[in-house]
Amino acid sequence: NAGVTQTPKFRILKIGQSMTLQCTQDMNHNYMYWYRQDPGMGLKLIYYSVGAGITDKGEVPNGYNVSRSTTEDFPLRLELAAPSQTSVYFCASSEDSSYNEQFFGPGTRLTVL
Amino acid sequence: RKEVEQDPGPFNVPEGATVAFNCTYSNSASQSFFWYRQDCRKEPKLLMSVYSSGNEDGRFTAQLNRASQYISLLIRDSKLSDSATYLCVGDEALGRLYFGRGTQLTVWP
Repeated sequence: NAGVTQTPKFRILKIGQSMTLQCTQDMNHNYMYWYRQDPGMGLKLIYYSVGAGITDKGEVPNGYNVSRSTTEDFPLRLELAAPSQTSVYFCASSEDSSYNEQFFGPGTRLTVL
Repeated sequence: RKEVEQDPGPFNVPEGATVAFNCTYSNSASQSFFWYRQDCRKEPKLLMSVYSSGNEDGRFTAQLNRASQYISLLIRDSKLSDSATYLCVGDEALGRLYFGRGTQLTVWP
């Protein structure tokens, strides 16, 4: 199993550009999550999904959108990039919620200039 | 508001030392807590879950005190490979994790 994979690994955007961060898991997990981690800070939840077709906002959803059309994929969309969105983005998945390990992807390092 | 407070360190200890990390949390409704480990420029990985009765995994012992809203991690006989950032994590429900800033540990030879 590849686990959780994310693409791209790195990206530089100009203000106002859009992009989609890809996330795929091959563990047949129902739960998937997007977090962002700013330098020296803890991870913050952006969006999450409890199954295909179901998504909900986390703590910091503004400026982002998600979709979950399949169990495997959970892309994160930035529509109008802003410097405040410069961060490392992690996707994670888990079989169930609570007391179940979340498996993280390797992250996407995004810089908005 | 869900918050986890941790001393960011850094903690610098020699090999073989015992080191303890603590954190406090604000959301008394949280049911589950964890310690995650994050190596430099890598993704977090689960180190261990934390139970009220206390739990041990080899050289690592975790403890949860719900009355004081306090979580601890004890590492015995530190190894060079233990050098990392240790993240104190709570679960709001449905797996919605909230993270502390992390405590940086460096173990030197």
